[in-house]
Amino acid sequence: AQSVTQLDSQVPVFEEAPVELRCNYSSSVSVYLFWYVQYPNQGLQLLLKYLSGSTLVESINGFEAEFNKSQTSFHLRKPSVHISDTAEYFCAVIRGAYSGGGADGLTFGKGTHLIIQP
Amino acid sequence: NAGVTQTPKFQVLKTGQSMTLQCAQDMNHEYMSWYRQDPGMGLRLIHYSVGAGITDQGEVPNGYNVSRSTTEDFPLRLLSAAPSQTSVYFCASSYGRGVDEQYFGPGTRLTVT
Repeated sequence: AQSVTQLDSQVPVFEEAPVELRCNYSSSVSVYLFWYVQYPNQGLQLLLKYLSGSTLVESINGFEAEFNKSQTSFHLRKPSVHISDTAEYFCAVIRGAYSGGGADGLTFGKGTHLIIQP
Repeated sequence: NAGVTQTPKFQVLKTGQSMTLQCAQDMNHEYMSWYRQDPGMGLRLIHYSVGAGITDQGEVPNGYNVSRSTTEDFPLRLLSAAPSQTSVYFCASSYGRGVDEQYFGPGTRLTVT
């Protein structure tokens, strides 16, 4: 089974400041990693994902995340946040292909609420 | 495309009542799933389906039932509602299993009194 830990339930940051949202995972098999974003009163949307290849992945709105296998982390970063980035951010994993049995769905962390202060 | 639609948006039930949460997608996705979202708990997988006629249990399946008679629809049934099932329920779909982008519906907020 997999598990995901998001260490911070809330992260307040000033507008135009950099931010890092932390995510660590635990799994006995290889996994794929995702960040989803949930804006107020909406469903979740995929922000970015790591399946293979370059360990640094980017989204179209300036976020990036780096897969670190040795530290089992997938932290999300943005160099300069905007008020519109206020949302709940979820890190998630799914077991990789050919990685054996178990429920076949995403395992989510508890979420980090990013609060942008003007 | 309407994407993933869920009905109703809000529902209040009394303990012991049953109901069905509806989920439909028009993207011809094979993979569909149901999650519940509780404060401070993230999302937890209830049931999922890899295609019509095939369903399986997720992390928290007790008290819920699903069926998948068509590719488009994946209803979630609460057999006998309990206050512990008060939650926001999200349906999601994707082309393949979860490595593909999952598209989430807007959610159903359920309160059981």
